Amino acid sequence: GAVVSQHPSRVICKSGTSVKIECRSLDFQATTMFWYRQFPKQSLMLMATSNEGSKATYEQGVEKDKFLINHASLTLSTLTVTSAHPEDSSFYICSAAGQLSNQPQHFGDGTRLSIL
Amino acid sequence: GDSVTQMEGPVTLSEEAFLTINCTYTATGYPSLFWYVQYPGEGLQLLLKATKADDKGSNKGFEATYRKETTSFHLEKGSVQVSDSAVYFCALTQGDAGNMLTFGGGTRLMVKP
Repeated sequence: GAVVSQHPSRVICKSGTSVKIECRSLDFQATTMFWYRQFPKQSLMLMATSNEGSKATYEQGVEKDKFLINHASLTLSTLTVTSAHPEDSSFYICSAAGQLSNQPQHFGDGTRLSIL
Repeated sequence: GDSVTQMEGPVTLSEEAFLTINCTYTATGYPSLFWYVQYPGEGLQLLLKATKADDKGSNKGFEATYRKETTSFHLEKGSVQVSDSAVYFCALTQGDAGNMLTFGGGTRLMVKP
């Protein structure tokens, strides 16, 4: 089946650090990638949608200057949390979808970000 | 807008018990419906899907039938195992929504030996 690789799986860093999370589709071309944030015992909150070669579309309330998304190729999207603070600590999950509509998204294993 | 409603958890069952997790949806048109499972500390995995009315998705002993008349997609399994303990998410996507998923709130299942 389709595989999405997300890296790193866990990050612990000091406040003020910028953190980059990578999301790769390993065996298909991901025309669309999604970034989610998940708080403990809650559902996924969509942060942004990115299409290859164009700017990401952010959901209401998500700071685009805080969460920089780049989707430079059909197999790679990155999320950079800039100048991270403790309130940014969370579980971040990416997913990827191919060209066909109504196809399921395939998810990465998530990144646990802890800001001290 | 579209929405998905799941029964609140946690659902606690003994091993080999029958499982039902209710899911209902509100959507225009003919969405595709999915169940995803999330094991502790991991991302989501697609469990099963159905793309049109009366379709039955099945995988690993789990089943769900797309019921348009009741706008439901309930997840069932005849005999749960401890390894089924996880959070289950019901979701839908519309054909014109660029694969964007609308999730339910998730239901935590705990299976005790």
